[in-house]
Amino acid sequence: DTAVSQTPKYLVTQMGNDKSIKCEQNLGHDTMYWYKQDSKKFLKIMFSYNNKELIINETVPNRFSPKSPDKAHLNLHINSLELGDSAVYFCASSQGLVAGGNSPLHFGNGTRLTVT
Amino acid sequence: AQKITQTQPGMFVQEKEAVTLDCTYDTSDPSYGLFWYKQPSSGEMIFLIYQGSYDQQNATEGRYSLNFQKARKSANLVISASQLGDSAMYFCAMREGRFGGGNKLTFGTGTQLKVEL
Repeated sequence: DTAVSQTPKYLVTQMGNDKSIKCEQNLGHDTMYWYKQDSKKFLKIMFSYNNKELIINETVPNRFSPKSPDKAHLNLHINSLELGDSAVYFCASSQGLVAGGNSPLHFGNGTRLTVT
Repeated sequence: AQKITQTQPGMFVQEKEAVTLDCTYDTSDPSYGLFWYKQPSSGEMIFLIYQGSYDQQNATEGRYSLNFQKARKSANLVISASQLGDSAMYFCAMREGRFGGGNKLTFGTGTQLKVEL
C-alpha cells in the first residue's frame, strides 16, 4: 500500500551510460515532482508535472528528461551520466493547483544514484 | 537570496527535553505555506506540520508545534518531550503563492538533531 514508490532504490553505473528511474503514486494526486538531494543533503526541485503537463523545469541539463505517461506516473531518464549526477533523487506527489497551497508533498523513499 | 534559512546545522537535546529548530523565510507574496519535514538516517522524507500565512493560530501536531511569527518571518519547529527516535535531519520548506507557484516547495539546508540519553 505504498503511497509513492520509486525504483530502483540503488543505481550504480558508469559515466556515459543512460539510466531511468521510475515513480508511481497511488494517492490520486495530480501533481508530481522530481527533487535532487546532493551530498550536503540540500534538496532542490528539478521538475514538476500537473496532470501530465510540465509546469516546472528548474534549469536542469537537458540530459535529464522527465516523462509522465499519466498523472500517476513520472519517470526520469538521464542520458550520458556524469560524476556530478551522483545524488539521491526523490519523487514526490501532491494534490495540485486546485486545492491551494496547504497540500504537503508526499515523497518516495529515494533512489541513490552513484556514477563511477 | 536564500528563501529559507536554517542557521543551526546541528543541535543536541537530552531525551524528554523540548527543542526548538529555527527557520526564517523570505517572500513578498502575502499567501504562502510553511512546512517541516523529518529525514531519519534511513532516508525517507516525512511530513510533520504545516502553517499557512493566513492561519491565526500556531499549528500543532502531537509533540510538534510551530512557533509562527509572521512579522519576523520565522517559523520555528518546537519538539516537546524529545525521544531517541527524533534524531534526524529536519527541513523547513516554503510554498509561495495562492496556487503554489507550481506547487513546488523550496527547502532550507536542514538541521541535524541528535537526541541524547
